[in-house]
Amino acid sequence: DAGVTQSPTHLIKTRGQQVTLRCSPISGHKSVSWYQQVLGQGPQFIFQYYEKEERGRGNFPDRFSARQFPNYSSELNVNALLLGDSALYLCASSPSLRDGGYNEQFFGPGTRLTVL
Amino acid sequence: AQSVTQPDIHITVSEGASLELRCNYSYGATPYLFWYVQSPGQGLQLLLKYFSGDTLVQGIKGFEAEFKRSQSSFNLRKPSVHWSDAAEYFCAVFSGGYNKLIFGAGTRLAVHP
Repeated sequence: DAGVTQSPTHLIKTRGQQVTLRCSPISGHKSVSWYQQVLGQGPQFIFQYYEKEERGRGNFPDRFSARQFPNYSSELNVNALLLGDSALYLCASSPSLRDGGYNEQFFGPGTRLTVL
Repeated sequence: AQSVTQPDIHITVSEGASLELRCNYSYGATPYLFWYVQSPGQGLQLLLKYFSGDTLVQGIKGFEAEFKRSQSSFNLRKPSVHWSDAAEYFCAVFSGGYNKLIFGAGTRLAVHP
């Protein structure tokens, strides 16, 4: 079975532009999370979606948005890009979601975004 | 607030030597703890996890970790390091809501032949 896939692998944007990153979860998984990993730091939680609804949001500005589609794939959008948005963006999927409980997450290889 | 601290940014060991990577956490209740490994250009791979029970947990690739509540630690160990273990290692704690993980800053491991 295929793991979590993300596209594109790399992309380069300039300040002020907008970007869309895509994630396909493991088949049968209904929950997707997004994390930002700045160079030299650990991943930071951005969003979680389950059954097409936002279930959690990290401490990120409104320039960051996401959605989940009926096939459970997801897109992360970032508007008005800043230099500081340069990072590896990781997507993780899990079979379901339990309020207050934990479902193991499986991470994709990430999308490396460079903002010039 | 929950947090994870990995005191060592970079560690170098010789192949065949033992390894211990340190992790300290801050969490009010019994934590769910994880160690992940990230090789260059790769995503995160789960090495092991602790939810409850035996405080010494075994993982993949010969790694183990010990949960010590009194020290708020969850250190990762391996008795004999292989060159292929060179990577970045992240400790994480489950925050208690909606599958959110809080990660440490990571420890980069280099292995000398």
